[in-house]
Amino acid sequence: DAGVIQSPRHEVTEMGQEVTLRCKPISGHDYLFWYRQTMMRGLELLIYFNNNVPIDDSGMPEDRFSAKMPNASFSTLKIQPSEPRDSAVYFCASSSLTGDRAEAFFGQGTRLTVV
Amino acid sequence: ILNVEQSPQSLHVQEGDSTNFTCSFPSSNFYALHWYRWETAKSPEALFVMTLNGDEKKKGRISATLNTKEGYSYLYIKGSQPEDSATYLCAPYKAAGNKLTFGGGTRVLVKP
Repeated sequence: DAGVIQSPRHEVTEMGQEVTLRCKPISGHDYLFWYRQTMMRGLELLIYFNNNVPIDDSGMPEDRFSAKMPNASFSTLKIQPSEPRDSAVYFCASSSLTGDRAEAFFGQGTRLTVV
Repeated sequence: ILNVEQSPQSLHVQEGDSTNFTCSFPSSNFYALHWYRWETAKSPEALFVMTLNGDEKKKGRISATLNTKEGYSYLYIKGSQPEDSATYLCAPYKAAGNKLTFGGGTRVLVKP
């Protein structure tokens, strides 16, 4: 397996624009997590899915943020409208959380810059 | 909210010295504890997943212990090398609600 794949790796956008981040989890993993890396909060959990269903979105900062998982192999995190304070690195991770390989596997991250 | 505390926040270690640091978490409804290593400009990578009280795991010069009754885990680095410089994150999760929430991390800098 190629691991967790995120796209794009880098995104620069203007304030007010819509931004969509994409994630392809590892096949067979039934948990998918979206995290944001910030100086103040470290690695902050935004939302997670189990079997494509959003379980906890309490970490989503505002209504401007939304996430979907239409099938087991794809998830998106959307920010509309984007603001400069949304600039951060966004990570997607997937896991089975059980069994011999219970750890989470992270994608390479998307570095978002909103100007 | 799962209260996860890691201490210290950062530490400097001389090459060759050994060091250790702590992850504290609520002990109720414990299911597992994850440790990750996060190098600058890279993604976090798993070191250990620990589930049993008294568990001890080892990978090379890095080892970890777990006390689920009192809610803490120690991570040890023996004979630190510059390549051990990274942020070490822990993430406990409970039996109900598999929210993988990370502590703030311990940033380790190994000086040659």
